[in-house]
Amino acid sequence: DADVTQTPRNRITKTGKRIMLECSQTKGHDRMYWYRQDPGLGLQLIYYSFDVKDINKGEISDGYSVSRQAQAKFSLSLESAIPNQTALYFCATSDLFRDSNQPQHFGDGTRLSIL
Amino acid sequence: AQSVSQHNHHVILSEAASLELGCNYSYGGTVNLFWYVQYPGQHLQLLLKYFSGDPLVKGIKGFEAEFIKSKFSFNLRKPSVQWSDTAEYFCAVTSLSGGYNKLIFGAGTRLAVHP
Repeated sequence: DADVTQTPRNRITKTGKRIMLECSQTKGHDRMYWYRQDPGLGLQLIYYSFDVKDINKGEISDGYSVSRQAQAKFSLSLESAIPNQTALYFCATSDLFRDSNQPQHFGDGTRLSIL
Repeated sequence: AQSVSQHNHHVILSEAASLELGCNYSYGGTVNLFWYVQYPGQHLQLLLKYFSGDPLVKGIKGFEAEFIKSKFSFNLRKPSVQWSDTAEYFCAVTSLSGGYNKLIFGAGTRLAVHP
């Protein structure tokens, strides 16, 4: 679904570095989400945002921060990366009225490796 | 804490075989239920969802799921699988949390279909 774009697609970095993952959408959705996917664990919610002024912690927000720069942009930051943050990260969006506030549209993911 | 269990982590089938993937959840209240599919190297896509009404839900690509409230189950079925159904399948359920129906994912079931 090219309407939700994540950059970069792959990133390898070192422990202690600051990393930003970006997500932009052209769907006009008000709600955006960041998930991480680990083998055997499914997806876990990191942060979610219902509009530009609304940011909420998910299940595993420790070690992460987010910024909703505009309705179409939602960035995830790792202030000081650690190896157990190695995972596949997905951004998702949903429309309040059409999707009943559940993530319906996912980006292609960012594969992050921290050495 | 609410949880979603997918009992089969790996399933291997031949083409034309019937498929049933199990999903059980722990939440006792009103639920919304979802099945997502992730094809190799791609993002998650919504297969089907249940909010209310007929407990037998039809989704895309010939998939269906049946909500059995008494068993806390939402099993995914397909009468005859194809090689192109090879993917990872995630069951998910909403969980009330601070007014927002946070989505809880199961660990996923990896399906391999052999020609």
